[in-house]
Amino acid sequence: GESVGLHLPTLSVQEGDNSIINCAYSNSASDYFIWYKQESGKGPQFIIDIRSNMDKRQGQRVTVLLNKTVKHLSLQIAATQPGDSAVYFCAENIVGQNFVFGPGTRLSVLP
Amino acid sequence: DTEVTQTPKHLVMGMTNKKSLKCEQHMGHRAMYWYKQKAKKPPELMFVYSYEKLSINESVPSRFSPECPNSSLLNLHLHALQPEDSALYLCASSRGGNTEAFFGQGTRLTVV
Repeated sequence: GESVGLHLPTLSVQEGDNSIINCAYSNSASDYFIWYKQESGKGPQFIIDIRSNMDKRQGQRVTVLLNKTVKHLSLQIAATQPGDSAVYFCAENIVGQNFVFGPGTRLSVLP
Repeated sequence: DTEVTQTPKHLVMGMTNKKSLKCEQHMGHRAMYWYKQKAKKPPELMFVYSYEKLSINESVPSRFSPECPNSSLLNLHLHALQPEDSALYLCASSRGGNTEAFFGQGTRLTVV
């Protein structure tokens, strides 16, 4: 389940289950979005991106969905593995400006 | 090669010290960035260089001084920092515009 509070929101899933991480972005003019994965002690790692003229994009085991009407982005991870445990950030970008990161969600994969 | 290399990985400095963080990329990217990340928080943009010129300074205190000697290198000079400046400092690069930014592993800075 997902918990939100004073600490980083955490999503706990069983190994092998699918994960869905959500992100509400702030600017209706944002036209490019990226999901990053950050493991402890490392820099953010690119996972998948999507442009505003699309509503879905698939990668290897990951799918990003974009709903511009409600300014919502989600990352779906299929068959979640222990190596998927990390903090996930969505980042939005407006042409000519720079990436703004969301607050992040910690994904914890349970054995 | 999609690597952004940052040195040092860890740095401990006193409040009267002067030190520099270094970042290097060989992807031919025209935009380079410095971000600051506190624990359990997202990265926050500090500076952006585009074609080796400073294009964005997000109201960063003058004790942080960026420098872009050439298109592959980005430095962050530190002087008279405060303990609250302790954080993970991340460098990133991109082709600019709406393209993905690649991040380095960061420098973990501790100010004592």
